[in-house]
This record gives sequence, C-alpha cells and structure tokens, in this order.
Amino acid sequence: QQQVKQSPQSLIVQKGGISIINCAYENTAFDYFPWYQQFPGKGPALLIAIRPDVSEKKEGRFTISFNKSAKQFSLHIMDSQPGDSATYFCAASLFYSSASKIIFGSGTRLSIRP
Amino acid sequence: NAGVTQTPKFQVLKTGQSMTLQCAQDMNHNSMYWYRQDPGMGLRLIYYSASEGTTDKGEVPNGYNVSRLNKREFSLRLESAAPSQTSVYFCASRAQTGANTGELFFGEGSRLTVL
Repeated sequence: QQQVKQSPQSLIVQKGGISIINCAYENTAFDYFPWYQQFPGKGPALLIAIRPDVSEKKEGRFTISFNKSAKQFSLHIMDSQPGDSATYFCAASLFYSSASKIIFGSGTRLSIRP
Repeated sequence: NAGVTQTPKFQVLKTGQSMTLQCAQDMNHNSMYWYRQDPGMGLRLIYYSASEGTTDKGEVPNGYNVSRLNKREFSLRLESAAPSQTSVYFCASRAQTGANTGELFFGEGSRLTVL
C-alpha cells in the first residue's frame, strides 16, 4: 500500500505546449503530495506540493490537479520552455508525521523541443 | 548556508569492500533520509530517521546499515558491497515546521560504482 505509480516514463513536448505527468497512490492515509524537479548532476528540489483539502494548486506555469476519490494527482506545465527539461518525480507522505516514509514515483524525463 | 552535504561525491569499490557515505545537514531538521536512484526506478527509500537515536527501514534496506550519530549527521554503510549497489545515493532532510513544512532538502548525491 506504499506504492506511487508515475507515468509516462519520458515525455517530449514542443516549446509553448502543455506537459502533463500523472501519478497514482495507494495509501489513503497519505495527505501530502509534492512534485520534485531534478536537473542532471543535482539533487531533486521541491517544485510544488498539494494537500487533499484542495483539488488544484497553481504556482506560475505549474499546476497540480488532485482527485482524492481516484487517488490520482497530476502535474501540468503550461507554456513549456526548454529550461523545464528535467526529470520530475511525484511523491506521497504524511504531512505532519516526522516518522513518515516519503515514497517517490519512478520519475518522468521531460524534454522540451525548441 | 550549506544545506545538506554528502561525502564522497564519487567512489569506486570492489565487490566485498565496505564503505560509509556521510551526510550532514545544518537546518536543524529532525528527519533524515537515504535514497538510491537508478534509471527507470526513481528514488527508492533505503532507511530513514525520524529523530536522533531512531532509524527505520525503507523500501530497499537489504545490504545497508545506518547510524544517526546526532541531529546533524546520518551515515549509510555498505558492509560488503555488491555490483547491484551501483547507484547514485541521495541524502535528504525534512522540514517539520514553518513555511517549508513537509519539504525534503536533498544533497547533491554520491555516485557509487561497485566492480
């Protein structure tokens, strides 16, 4: 019940297009769903996160959509830019528990074509 | 402000050798984590520590041991390295208070090759 499944494994989008990455989780106790961005040779860094009391969160060109009943959430990148080319990971955990495992999806390698 | 510091950045081992990956954070976080990253497998949790003096197994703990030496430091030890442990290892700490609550802060990674 700890898995987080992420798709697609890789994605190519034209500059200016919309990039969409999907994740599904199993453990209904999870209440914190972040997305991390990783550039080659670097550690992942938090991009945006959502808690299940809202169905959508937007920060600039990045939006998380959350569907609690389906246990799914997705990352939308609007007006995708070459600088967005990176690997993206979704994750799930318990927000307040310091003892919570933080489980990651398998990652999506995003390439934005100029 | 260094954040999370990992050493070494690169290491080559022979099968059966042992080594320790060091991690230190200067953000006063209670929780610390060790992940390994392999192509197509994402980030898999090896061990984590909710607070000084406690450690728990993650998804892939076999072949590893950890020590939470104090609040700042969390080390990962390979007692008898195997080629299957060739990977990039990331240490992270987690904010539990303030505006960054829930956020993981990662080190830059340690690339380990086992021959």
